[in-house]
Amino acid sequence: DTGVSQDPRHKITKRGQNVTFRCDPISEHNRLYWYRQTLGQGPEFLTYFQNEAQLEKSRLLSDRFSAERPKGSFSTLEIQRTEQGDSAMYLCASSLAGDSSGSPQYFGPGTRLLVL
Amino acid sequence: DQQVKQNSPSLSVQEGRISILNCDYTNSMFDYFLWYKKYPAEGPTFLISISSIKDKNEDGRFTVFLNKSAKHLSLHIVPSQPGDSAVYFCAALVNNNDMRFGAGTRLTVKP
Repeated sequence: DTGVSQDPRHKITKRGQNVTFRCDPISEHNRLYWYRQTLGQGPEFLTYFQNEAQLEKSRLLSDRFSAERPKGSFSTLEIQRTEQGDSAMYLCASSLAGDSSGSPQYFGPGTRLLVL
Repeated sequence: DQQVKQNSPSLSVQEGRISILNCDYTNSMFDYFLWYKKYPAEGPTFLISISSIKDKNEDGRFTVFLNKSAKHLSLHIVPSQPGDSAVYFCAALVNNNDMRFGAGTRLTVKP
């Protein structure tokens, strides 16, 4: 059973550098979500894809952030010109649209980003 | 604008007793509510969900109750076990894709 995987698990970078994270969803899931979580808070929605189409983006997703899901399978989240405020856990989740139980989203282990 | 609120940051319970985790919401358009459990260094794990048209859903030791008039839901864990110690997030879905999370409640079950 392969759940949602994310790579890398940890990333330390210097302010101003670009970083890219990858998410591989559960294979039959057509929806993929990105969240950000900071200490003491729940995950905050960033964006989601249905297949390869990016259907919604949060106001939290500034123009330094871009996400892609080119073939409707894995996704990448890139942060350009990182800032210290970008330090957080970045979580990816996937779900199957139309699931009768409200499409529960299944999360990966996250990528913890630290911007120095 | 926090539409899902978990007002208790922590809860401590004795093993074998009941754990009750509470959640309040403000958006009456939410159509599903979910509970997730999170261990350190792992992503949240889906536990149980409830449709807004129901008032109770049970799965083993876990039961979720929904009171729509009060915009309140709760998760009951009976009996509590030390392995249940984790952070529990309440989440709400609108339009079947937009999910909002509460800040979480850290449950500690003492042996």
